[in-house]
Amino acid sequence: DSGVTQTPKHLITATGQRVTLRCSPRSGDLSVYWYQQSLDQGLQFLIQYYNGEERAKGNILERFSAQQFPDLHSELNLSSLELGDSALYFCASSVERGTQETQYFGPGTRLLVL
Amino acid sequence: AQKITQTQPGMFVQEKEAVTLDCTYDTSDPSYGLFWYKQPSSGEMIFLIYQGSYDQQNATEGRYSLNFQKARKSANLVISASQLGDSAMYFCAMRDVNTGNQFYFGTGTSLTVIP
Repeated sequence: DSGVTQTPKHLITATGQRVTLRCSPRSGDLSVYWYQQSLDQGLQFLIQYYNGEERAKGNILERFSAQQFPDLHSELNLSSLELGDSALYFCASSVERGTQETQYFGPGTRLLVL
Repeated sequence: AQKITQTQPGMFVQEKEAVTLDCTYDTSDPSYGLFWYKQPSSGEMIFLIYQGSYDQQNATEGRYSLNFQKARKSANLVISASQLGDSAMYFCAMRDVNTGNQFYFGTGTSLTVIP
């Protein structure tokens, strides 16, 4: 158990809908990453937050948005869903010690858009 | 151009032997980080090891070590004393400060450990 929780584990929805994925980092970890893994696109970095602020932005679509709350949990909002958004969405929290970084992944949310 | 290249789609290794998974990267920035991840068939993602571009020594974590050759832009993962539980997909990734700390992933190498 990495200590990172993601809810829900599975989500089935229809095209055009909106969903929210939730991630709670390990206690004390300030950084949260979101990744998408699909058969078409492979693994992609979406976005990173650090202590409530956006730190890095990857291949995140305009239909997607994320935020990190004061209690450090993060939510990824996916709207106007398309079939191609079906994927496994991971979040990870990380801790940096000097020049070293260690990441801890949640179990993922498997999204199926029908 | 590909930022991260993993040229071995599939690899086999005998149990207890060492195996090297290749990864080359492309960046013009002197500051970057290199990561390796493991994804078993169950689907979870596991962080294995990290190497910063300024780190003088190769990173090691238990049976995992990262063979960092900066001039060749390679960051190969070495797994010593392979175990059956090492059978999984392995992904190499780079965080590139030059492009705003974006992460780039390779396409992965599927490792099978043979008893």
